Amino acid sequence: GQNIDQPTEMTATEGAIVQINCTYQTSGFNGLFWYQQHAGEAPTFLSYNVLDGLEEKGRFSSFLSRSKGYSYLLLKELQMKDSASYLCAGGDSNYQLIWGAGTKLIIKP
Amino acid sequence: TAGITQAPTSQILAAGRSMTLRCTQDMRHNAMYWYRQDLGLGLRLIHYSNTAGTTGKGEVPDGYSVSRANTDDFPLTLASAVPSQTSVYFCASSDSGGVDEQFFGPGTRLTVL
Repeated sequence: GQNIDQPTEMTATEGAIVQINCTYQTSGFNGLFWYQQHAGEAPTFLSYNVLDGLEEKGRFSSFLSRSKGYSYLLLKELQMKDSASYLCAGGDSNYQLIWGAGTKLIIKP
Repeated sequence: TAGITQAPTSQILAAGRSMTLRCTQDMRHNAMYWYRQDLGLGLRLIHYSNTAGTTGKGEVPDGYSVSRANTDDFPLTLASAVPSQTSVYFCASSDSGGVDEQFFGPGTRLTVL
């Protein structure tokens, strides 16, 4: 079957670094996405990885290991506005996205 | 630029009634999607359309129907609502029907009593 696993909730301190992990099992593989979703709002795109390695975009970086079925999202210099849910999604062989339940990130001052 | 709009923002519906959730995009994207989001679960795909005139079933299509008469609009219809259809519904679009960045509408919160 297809499955995306990520932690339900994480807590971090303002100014610190946090890593949100995601493991995936999809029929075929067509890339790994990370989205951010603030409470009561729509998801917004953060990153896309299709090749192994690290993609850096400002304070956010995303890593992919296809052999391990593993990805992580790294958030640096955390700000209060980073409090949100972070959704991991894998592209399957039908070119559809399989979504994880999301990781709620709580930032404390 | 409006992007994607959805209507209504929220709705309370009696079980057994029908309802159409509206979705319009102005980005000329080829592909459009309907998802439902429930607490503790990931976004689940209901129906999708890779291009105007075509539609396909997603993971949870039962009880829902869609049409794609033109590029911009992708309405979702519940023919006879049931309480298990209480959810937040998101419409999304992407430039292509392949694996591509999806842009989401603001969502419709539907409660079926």
